[in-house]
Amino acid sequence: EVQLVESGGGLVQPGRSLKLSCAASGFTFSNYYMAWVRQAPKKGLEWVATISTSGSRTYYPDSVKGRFTISRDNAKSSLYLQMNSLKSEDTATYYCARHGEFGAIFDYWGQGVMVTVSS
Amino acid sequence: DIQMTQSPASLSASLEEIVTITCQASQDIGNWLAWYQQKPGKSPQLLIYGATSLADGVPSRFSGSRSGTQYSLKISRLQVEDIGIYYCQQASSAPYTFGAGTKLELK
Repeated sequence: EVQLVESGGGLVQPGRSLKLSCAASGFTFSNYYMAWVRQAPKKGLEWVATISTSGSRTYYPDSVKGRFTISRDNAKSSLYLQMNSLKSEDTATYYCARHGEFGAIFDYWGQGVMVTVSS
Repeated sequence: DIQMTQSPASLSASLEEIVTITCQASQDIGNWLAWYQQKPGKSPQLLIYGATSLADGVPSRFSGSRSGTQYSLKISRLQVEDIGIYYCQQASSAPYTFGAGTKLELK
């Protein structure tokens, strides 16, 4: 059974940093592109970052480019999201997600972790 | 960026009723379209990928279709467990964008 378990969320002040982690199990982690998707309170879904199987290629939307860094450790079956220069608009539930075999869809999602950016 | 315009924003339907949700892409995305269901307090779950293919474990009352750049999700006979918010997503090119969501409620 595919499982994705996020951790590392919490309350952080604007301008500070936070690092999220995602522990994956139930599949060969190194074979899949992975991603982070977020959802602001009572809002829709927003793709945040994608990383290739080896970690050599990363992709971000303009809203987080230069502030967020996605990385992975295939030996530990773990995915990470380093978030710097956090803003109030980054407040959201962050989901770890696996990219499917059929394009850039998200076929499995974690339970999510809440990040609140507030002074 | 590719915009995904989803309608309606909310929908109230009766049990066993046929429900249709649509998404309009701002440009050609081929069949690179997915649908997700998010139940209250839960993570999104993949329903449809490739515009028309049913994800593993998804009931056959769900189906997807495409006409040009318009995509539809159909629930043939609405069940109680289908209540939630539905999102479309284009997987054609980054940034991968979602529709704003359709909140499906029971009448």
